[in-house]
Amino acid sequence: EPEVTQTPSHQVTQMGQEVILRCVPISNHLYFYWYRQILGQKVEFLVSFYNNEISEKSEIFDDQFSVERPDGSNFTLKIRSTKLEDSAMYFCASRASTESSYNEQFFGPGTRLTVL
Amino acid sequence: GEDVEQSLFLSVREGDSSVINCTYTDSSSTYLYWYKQEPGAGLQLLTYIFSNMDMKQDQRLTVLLNKKDKHLSLRIADTQTGDSAIYFCAESIRSTASKLTFGTGTRLQVTL
Repeated sequence: EPEVTQTPSHQVTQMGQEVILRCVPISNHLYFYWYRQILGQKVEFLVSFYNNEISEKSEIFDDQFSVERPDGSNFTLKIRSTKLEDSAMYFCASRASTESSYNEQFFGPGTRLTVL
Repeated sequence: GEDVEQSLFLSVREGDSSVINCTYTDSSSTYLYWYKQEPGAGLQLLTYIFSNMDMKQDQRLTVLLNKKDKHLSLRIADTQTGDSAIYFCAESIRSTASKLTFGTGTRLQVTL
């Protein structure tokens, strides 16, 4: 069964460093998402991406964050200068299309980012 | 804005029914979902309900929606140890992005 994969499973970085979190969505999906979950808190929406551009982003997704689909298969989240409060589990998700009245977002296993 | 609330913890005995509750604030929610998260794994969709429905049953799972009170519940019949996980309620509004707004998650512990 197709699945969303994410690498690495755990990333440790120093404050101020850049990190790139990688996701491989399901191959025929068109919509891509990043969510994050700070330990003990809710899963929060960060950004959605469709047709090679951001379709919606949250207040969390400031200028330090960027997303890219560099090669038609990977979907990346870059944090330019990490802060302690960026420590969280980051989930990637993908969705087929909006043609059907309902369509499921499929989630990856997450990348745990620890900023020291 | 959207807000989704859940109780944090529920403990049940194997074989009993579990009921996990959720309240939401956005009356324009189109779909409401239940996701399951097992340790080390991603979020797995269990079931969903469209906002014009009151109930949906899927094998051991029953979802009840009270639109007036903006209350959603998930009942798991004959709860098994393999049901131990964190259960997230989520809502979305039909749009191009259709982002999900999640609750805090309810940790279900199934005891023997």
